[in-house]
Amino acid sequence: EAGVTQFPSHSVIEKGQTVTLRCDPISGHDNLYWYRRVMGKEIKFLLHFVKESKQDESGMPNNRFLAERTGGTYSTLKVQPAELEDSGVYFCASSRPGDRAQETQYFGPGTRLLVL
Amino acid sequence: DAKTTQPNSMESNEEEPVHLPCNHSTISGTDYIHWYRQLPSQGPEYVIHGLTSNVNNRMASLAIAEDRKSSTLILHRATLRDAAVYYCILRDLSRFGNEKLTFGTGTRLTIIP
Repeated sequence: EAGVTQFPSHSVIEKGQTVTLRCDPISGHDNLYWYRRVMGKEIKFLLHFVKESKQDESGMPNNRFLAERTGGTYSTLKVQPAELEDSGVYFCASSRPGDRAQETQYFGPGTRLLVL
Repeated sequence: DAKTTQPNSMESNEEEPVHLPCNHSTISGTDYIHWYRQLPSQGPEYVIHGLTSNVNNRMASLAIAEDRKSSTLILHRATLRDAAVYYCILRDLSRFGNEKLTFGTGTRLTIIP
């Protein structure tokens, strides 16, 4: 089966611009997660979708970040306006529904965002 | 959430076994022990998980202490492709809304040819 894909792989934008990241989860995976690693820091959780609903958005840093998952398939993460501190790698992960105790998250390769 | 403690870095020779330790002295009874790793320029990937008993899969083995306050990830025969950052993560999946992975700093494993 195809893995989690993310687009673009790299993005360089100027401060104040808008960027939209896309994640296509593995087919049939209801759970979709966004994480990010900013420079020198640990990977941090941003939010979790179950199908099209936001299950947990406790990690979203501020209202400049907007995540959507219309139709419960792919997801987008928009940053508007981008700030310098938003630079980092944004990862998407997905998992299938079922036995939560055995839940395994499958990660995409990440989008490397650089805000100048 | 219970915390884990791992060494910042470890080195091992190629084709030798590697034992990656993790301390989790405040683990609760419903916490599963998960291990993920991140290869260079890739997203994290699942390695193994367990609750109380030792576990084996095609990638690695997980040895869990009897009191569950520590665990060890064992790579039986390290290859250069195993060079990565390894994360030990506790997950309490007994309640909804708690599915996120909480990454620490992990252990950077270097394999020496």
